[in-house]
Amino acid sequence: TQLLEQSPQFLSIQEGENLTVYCNSSSVFSSLQWYRQEPGEGPVLLVTVVTGGEVKKLKRLTFQFGDARKDSSLHITAAQPGDTGLYLCAGVKAAGNKLTFGGGTRVLVKP
Amino acid sequence: DSGVTQTPKHLITATGQRVTLRCSPRSGDLSVYWYQQSLDQGLQFLIQYYNGEERAKGNILERFSAQQFPDLHSELNLSSLELGDSALYFCASSEGDREVPEAFFGQGTRLTVV
Repeated sequence: TQLLEQSPQFLSIQEGENLTVYCNSSSVFSSLQWYRQEPGEGPVLLVTVVTGGEVKKLKRLTFQFGDARKDSSLHITAAQPGDTGLYLCAGVKAAGNKLTFGGGTRVLVKP
Repeated sequence: DSGVTQTPKHLITATGQRVTLRCSPRSGDLSVYWYQQSLDQGLQFLIQYYNGEERAKGNILERFSAQQFPDLHSELNLSSLELGDSALYFCASSEGDREVPEAFFGQGTRLTVV
């Protein structure tokens, strides 16, 4: 069982549609990060959220950290084929700086 | 380009063999992390070094070991290789021992054990 559970595992949508990816845990994290990974590449950091209830926006991407700091979501508006990739959430628990990753959500945006 | 360099990019070896994966962190980064990613899986944390010292250990097998050298590059040694060790191995680095590490990943080493 993963400490961070991501859902769904796979998402296929048409260009222009919206999507939401979830990252849940029964543990409290001091911070949550979202990464995107493309085939043959390493993950690239998209955002870090550190405050419960925090919402961050990056263009068409909206990231939210749950009030209890146990969960997070990533919402993409008007998805584009360039958004295709593996989205990974990663958490850091209090009193440590080890990044623990979720299992990932593979997103496919079809033109 | 993340600034993290991993070599080699690809490695094919036989069961029972030993290999060494190398990582050069971003300039100035003191922390190095090693992760294993199996097919279509998330990243499994193996081990972290900070300024030459082991800082955190994850699900790293006894057959695997790592070290960080004075020049801050790191090596991951995998021995008595099994078919199940085939995976992508990523190295990441971060600035220091900050409470919220922002990790920069290399492109990975794809290990195939045959």
